[in-house]
Amino acid sequence: GQQLNQSPQSMFIQEGEDVSMNCTSSSIFNTWLWYKQDPGEGPVLLIALYKAGELTSNGRLTAQFGITRKDSFLNISASIPSDVGIYFCAGHHIRSSGGSNYKLTFGKGTLLTVNP
Amino acid sequence: DGGITQSPKYLFRKEGQNVTLSCEQNLNHDAMYWYRQDPGQGLRLIYYSQIVNDFQKGDIAEGYSVSREKKESFPLTVTSAQKNPTAFYLCASSIRTVGGYTFGSGTRLTVV
Repeated sequence: GQQLNQSPQSMFIQEGEDVSMNCTSSSIFNTWLWYKQDPGEGPVLLIALYKAGELTSNGRLTAQFGITRKDSFLNISASIPSDVGIYFCAGHHIRSSGGSNYKLTFGKGTLLTVNP
Repeated sequence: DGGITQSPKYLFRKEGQNVTLSCEQNLNHDAMYWYRQDPGQGLRLIYYSQIVNDFQKGDIAEGYSVSREKKESFPLTVTSAQKNPTAFYLCASSIRTVGGYTFGSGTRLTVV
């Protein structure tokens, strides 16, 4: 199936630092989504992107849908301890026959640790 | 409030026993999904269902079974054929168009 390459796998940062993570694919996606999973809980949607080039913010979080439609990044500014968790990218890719596949493809996640 | 509920949160079973994990949603979503999560493995799709009385295997369906008799419910049975059942299991639902999933809070299954 389609794959998303998410990096980095893990990050250890100091409180107050900015964070950046990204996802890339060899195929075109027509939506990009970013989720956060707190320890022991289910993922929660942070940001959804629907147009190439779109830049969307949600508080200290900013995400962009790459122009090529094959990548996306998520930035977190001024990190705080409650930012710890696993961040997943996900997307709907374009079928080779055209149209969207509403089943999401997920990246493997970025584990973020924030030291107070 | 609408949402998706998984129960129980923690489940312990003896090896060789079948166990069923519950997933219920009141979001009126057509599609439902089961994922397995192991440390460092990300989310792996077990089964998904697009409509009632229909479901498809995901990437790791062996040793699992599902049913979709009602739109609101998509229970997952972990059978004794599953070689390594201890994991965190996540249920999700979505509408059948491009958009995100809503996830449950997960069930941690431990087989001893």
